[in-house]
Amino acid sequence: QVQLQQSGPGLVKPSQTLSLTCAISGDSVFSNSAAWNWIRQSPSRGLEWLGRTYYKSKWYNDYAVSVKSRITITPDTSRNQFSLQLNSVAPEDTAVYYCAREGVAGHWYFDLWGRGTLVTVSS
Amino acid sequence: QSALTQPASVSGSPGQSITISCTGTSSDVGNYDLVSWYQQHPGKAPKLIIFEVSKRPSGVSNRFSASKSGNTASLTISGLQAEDEADYYCCSYAGTRTYVKFGGGTKLTVL
Repeated sequence: QVQLQQSGPGLVKPSQTLSLTCAISGDSVFSNSAAWNWIRQSPSRGLEWLGRTYYKSKWYNDYAVSVKSRITITPDTSRNQFSLQLNSVAPEDTAVYYCAREGVAGHWYFDLWGRGTLVTVSS
Repeated sequence: QSALTQPASVSGSPGQSITISCTGTSSDVGNYDLVSWYQQHPGKAPKLIIFEVSKRPSGVSNRFSASKSGNTASLTISGLQAEDEADYYCCSYAGTRTYVKFGGGTKLTVL
């Protein structure tokens, strides 16, 4: 059974870096078909896709324009997981953050989700 | 980039059918057969119920069906059941700059 297990702090101070990890079980971050995404959800912004990483002979990343200057998504091949770093956070970055598998990279549907992590940006 | 447009709420009685619309533009819904739909119960992660406009993942009830016409995608739930009460979101690929857009969500109430 494929599962995504999220971890990371639930409280981040303004201007600091938000860091979350998503551990994959039952699949591989090296998958030739899947892509590994981060999506967030807040009452003000709804569901918002942030970015993804995937492997097709080499590693690729795509990022949403809204966060492109602040985001890094990195695969950790030794631990079969991937991580999100969002720099210079502000209160409007407060949201539930989900990791999600894109079942077939390029088909843009998310067939497996982590449970979500509520991240609050506050001093 | 604006989100896809969904009605804020719909309702129906058990056994009835309801349809939720998702309106985009010729740059997203109208240009790609890459629309998906998600069901979200309170406090839970979204669950994929439709992908590539009208395909159902294994294990999803055939009471869920979907289609697309022009810039508007639609999700139909037939034979409404109490467990269908949830929020529903559409999602569409929107090209290599925007990538993905979600709808604002529709709250389904089963009366």
